[in-house]
Amino acid sequence: RKEVEQDPGPFNVPEGATVAFNCTYSNSASQSFFWYRQDCRKEPKLLMSVYSSGNEDGRFTAQLNRASQYISLLIRDSKLSDSATYLCAVLSYSGNTPLVFGKGTRLSVIA
Amino acid sequence: EAQVTQNPRYLITVTGKKLTVTCSQNMNHEYMSWYRQDPGLGLRQIYYSMNVEVTDKGDVPEGYKVSRKEKRNFPLILESPSPNQTSLYFCASSLMATGELFFGEGSRLTVL
Repeated sequence: RKEVEQDPGPFNVPEGATVAFNCTYSNSASQSFFWYRQDCRKEPKLLMSVYSSGNEDGRFTAQLNRASQYISLLIRDSKLSDSATYLCAVLSYSGNTPLVFGKGTRLSVIA
Repeated sequence: EAQVTQNPRYLITVTGKKLTVTCSQNMNHEYMSWYRQDPGLGLRQIYYSMNVEVTDKGDVPEGYKVSRKEKRNFPLILESPSPNQTSLYFCASSLMATGELFFGEGSRLTVL
């Protein structure tokens, strides 16, 4: 099983829709979790950290489910400008790489 | 302005010609890292550094070298580039190894 897995998509949704992505991780000792956004040919940018209690930032909500070892990102009222690739990242202090990224889920919001 | 600066942004070179991609951050971050991003493979870590003079291999270190002589700089060295090192490279930094990374704009390298 890969360390961090995401559905690559693409998710094609109309403006105003609600869309959710999941990201599963294999290392049960993982400590911290993040969502990054990457626009085409640009650098990834931190969207939000994912806390145990979940967190919300405007239209974006992130949740952590430790029992099932996944994190989720919910986007409400999708905008055209939300079109991007969303990368999850998982931090654990074991193995070669402390921070492991998923390959990303591509979202296209359509007018 | 807080930023991570990489140079060059674009480079076409030939097999075997040594090159260095520079990375500099102005945020006094302790942690710095290099990634490569390839279609279908995602972001893969090459090397990282927890602090000055401390570097460690990531998942794909073969063919690369790094150094961390100063806190702000973390150059990536390709001693003898090969075509399989054609990729998009990102440098990133964070205050500590917390996972909240700031990325540079990327360096697109083509090795012929």
